[in-house]
Amino acid sequence: DIQMTQSPSSLSASVGDRVTISCQASQDISYSLNWYQQKPGKAPKLLIYAASYLNAGVPSRFSGSGSGTDFTFTISSLQPEDFATYYCQQYDNLPPTFGQGTKLEIK
Amino acid sequence: QVQLQESGPGLVKASQTLSLSCTVSGGSISSGRYYWNWIRQHPGKGLEWIGSMYYSGSTYYSPSLKSRVTISVDTNNQFSLILTSVTDADTAVYYCARGVGVAAPQRFDYWGQGTLVTVSS
Repeated sequence: DIQMTQSPSSLSASVGDRVTISCQASQDISYSLNWYQQKPGKAPKLLIYAASYLNAGVPSRFSGSGSGTDFTFTISSLQPEDFATYYCQQYDNLPPTFGQGTKLEIK
Repeated sequence: QVQLQESGPGLVKASQTLSLSCTVSGGSISSGRYYWNWIRQHPGKGLEWIGSMYYSGSTYYSPSLKSRVTISVDTNNQFSLILTSVTDADTAVYYCARGVGVAAPQRFDYWGQGTLVTVSS
């Protein structure tokens, strides 16, 4: 299985901050990388697919970049509703695998 | 708007079989183009893909669970998960999700709300 490693595991930030989360794959996965947001007690929500494509209805303050083994997820200006846990997920090889998550907390 | 809803027992005894169903509304499982998935999340932990089925009946399973898992189509636009010989390690929130992709599930765009299954010893 391809291992996905996110950093940091947790992050404290303030409303209006620019936030970046990293995700590293254990092997080259090209652009086969998605990002999800999960709030407590809720299902994950797809935000970004194929490394940089914004899913329908997702605000433009969310963005993704990268290819190969190194990927970045950015929130350009944090809003109160953005405090959640974020996961990356690769689909280059079966089984699809997820990172361990990054918990974004209010500073 | 596609919606998915999991159903099934919330408590299963160790060594027995976990059985869940997912009801899909707003779209047909048999219409093609999509993969129908089960994904679980251990308490306070990350996400683990269990397996997937395509409308044609093709199935794909996680190697770590393959010997114990069956995903299949039920009637009334439902698909199901069967996991045999459960242990404490199978205690988790189980989600069903729609997968989009070419030749395999790539991204999961619609999810059920999740159902907690606890394995009791």
